[in-house]
Amino acid sequence: DQQVKQNSPSLSVQEGRISILNCDYTNSMFDYFLWYKKYPAEGPTFLISISSIKDKNEDGRFTVFLNKSAKHLSLHIVPSQPGDSAVYFCAASEAQGAQKLVFGQGTRLTINP
Amino acid sequence: DARVTQTPRHKVTEMGQEVTMRCQPILGHNTVFWYRQTMMQGLELLAYFRNRAPLDDSGMPKDRFSAEMPDATLATLKIQPSEPRDSAVYFCASGLDGGHQETQYFGPGTRLLVL
Repeated sequence: DQQVKQNSPSLSVQEGRISILNCDYTNSMFDYFLWYKKYPAEGPTFLISISSIKDKNEDGRFTVFLNKSAKHLSLHIVPSQPGDSAVYFCAASEAQGAQKLVFGQGTRLTINP
Repeated sequence: DARVTQTPRHKVTEMGQEVTMRCQPILGHNTVFWYRQTMMQGLELLAYFRNRAPLDDSGMPKDRFSAEMPDATLATLKIQPSEPRDSAVYFCASGLDGGHQETQYFGPGTRLLVL
């Protein structure tokens, strides 16, 4: 039973355009959401997070949106750059802090020059 | 530059053999997590520890997997006996629960192939 789902295994975007990665969850107890980025042969690295009390969090080119009623979050990257090509994992937990995370399957983003 | 280290980085073994993966968490972190990455499931949580005590190992096949923290600087994940379906990348992550850090820091992973 996948509590966190990323339904798009891959996404291809042209450099300079907006990349939008989506994530859905089913557990209403989730209170904190994160995005991780992973390059080949490396571990995932933290990118951005959002608490359930907010609906948007922005950090430079990265913005995460949360729609609690739809149990949906998205990551926007604008403008997209070639270095953004990686696998992006959505994750959720029932509390902030170094708590147990439930991850999605990941979306492979490719930025084309 | 503090980081999580994992050894070995790659392991090829035959079915039935014991496999031991090691992780050194970031100094001062009090939570340690073991994940397995597969194509179908993404990142699955196998086990996690807080202050060296196991809190949740419900994601781990108990008959063949075991996870321990002999001390605060070492976490181990063992598979005995290993099976081809265990082939995956295993990640260790550490974090500071109750601190201002709000995330987990991942090691580079151990890529396991069981033949």
